[in-house]
Amino acid sequence: DTEVTQTPKHLVMGMTNKKSLKCEQHMGHRAMYWYKQKAKKPPELMFVYSYEKLSINESVPSRFSPECPNSSLLNLHLHALQPEDSALYLCASSQDGQMGRGKGNTEAFFGQGTRLTVV
Amino acid sequence: LAKTTQPISMDSYEGQEVNITCSHNNIATNDYITWYQQFPSQGPRFIIQGYKTKVTNEVASLFIPADRKSSTLSLPRVSLSDTAVYYCLVGAINTGTASKLTFGTGTRLQVTL
Repeated sequence: DTEVTQTPKHLVMGMTNKKSLKCEQHMGHRAMYWYKQKAKKPPELMFVYSYEKLSINESVPSRFSPECPNSSLLNLHLHALQPEDSALYLCASSQDGQMGRGKGNTEAFFGQGTRLTVV
Repeated sequence: LAKTTQPISMDSYEGQEVNITCSHNNIATNDYITWYQQFPSQGPRFIIQGYKTKVTNEVASLFIPADRKSSTLSLPRVSLSDTAVYYCLVGAINTGTASKLTFGTGTRLQVTL
């Protein structure tokens, strides 16, 4: 199973709503990522989790709140978003550098994304 | 992190070989070079990865000169379905922390008949 599954595929939410994006992988990967991608732009890194701990936060506004409940799941909680937050949100996972146990691999597997529209 | 520079767009006819070059002048000793392909409204997909010289798999080849300051992704005999954006990423592995996979601007490849 080399799949990263994201739900929902599409989401429309109001600026006062609270919603969550979900991401799941069963490849045993210990690094998981959230990216945001606007139309015709490259994916922008938001957060990185390594071994269920937040290791990178790219100065993302607090209205985006990541959570990694276990090694297979990654959530992105959304609250009080703005219309400019509308984008494709991508989740990815990778077999990260193994904490000294051998060479890691920067091959990342991406989900199909959640198309978020904030109205 | 090494910054990458790629052409913004390229055009090709079906059946031709396409070479996309990426510049990464400040690549570090530990860095690997990885290429991803992305279709509209889909997540990027891994194509190939290499450290030096030449790597080949079933879909592409990757050429890396000795100084590693650039790399070239070669797609043999492209078809219409190869129309996509191609990203070159440079990053370290085995750092003990999660890899910071940062995408550059990418190259938009348009294949026509």
